[in-house]
Amino acid sequence: DAGVTQSPTHLIKTRGQQVTLRCSPKSGHDTVSWYQQALGQGPQFIFQYYEEEERQRGNFPDRFSGHQFPNYSSELNVNALLLGDSALYLCASSLVSARADTQYFGPGTRLTVL
Amino acid sequence: SQQGEEDPQALSIQEGENATMNCSYKTSINNLQWYRQNSGRGLVHLILIRSNEREKHSGRLRVTLDTSKKSSSLLITASRAADTASYFCATDGIGAGNMLTFGGGTRLMVKP
Repeated sequence: DAGVTQSPTHLIKTRGQQVTLRCSPKSGHDTVSWYQQALGQGPQFIFQYYEEEERQRGNFPDRFSGHQFPNYSSELNVNALLLGDSALYLCASSLVSARADTQYFGPGTRLTVL
Repeated sequence: SQQGEEDPQALSIQEGENATMNCSYKTSINNLQWYRQNSGRGLVHLILIRSNEREKHSGRLRVTLDTSKKSSSLLITASRAADTASYFCATDGIGAGNMLTFGGGTRLMVKP
């Protein structure tokens, strides 16, 4: 049973560039959430996708956008990168109908903005 | 801003000792979850406790929840060097639609 996978593992960009991160949810899951984790801090919720629509959004600017595909995989796009966007980006999947709503996390993508 | 606050921020113990981490939160919740993270990698789900539960066990882990005090604790018994990691509590708030709010974490070091 495949868990949550993310690609790439590491990424280095320069300020002003754009980046796309990818996530495949755990088999059988239909909901994908994205989190940003700055060094030494806890993860912060960016947004959540279900049925190819953004269902919830945290306090992040419009430079952060996403997409969910019919196979439930998801992308996170960040435009006009800032130094402060350097972080570990985590994807989590869950099953919206599951009462417990446990979220399973992928290994993350480490983004460095120079 | 983060809803939860873990206490202590860092904890260093000897192998075999018990480790207790505390978490406080601010709003009413559906459930509270504890995660472990090794060296800045992905989060591993440890245990979920629902708002109507007071205590839950899983192997060497014991979690308590006090909704009147808006607090939870994670106890790891008979700790091992492999338990060295950061531990985070995350709350699923009522009306938050399965959006998890994390605390800042407790960094646990277990010395062999």
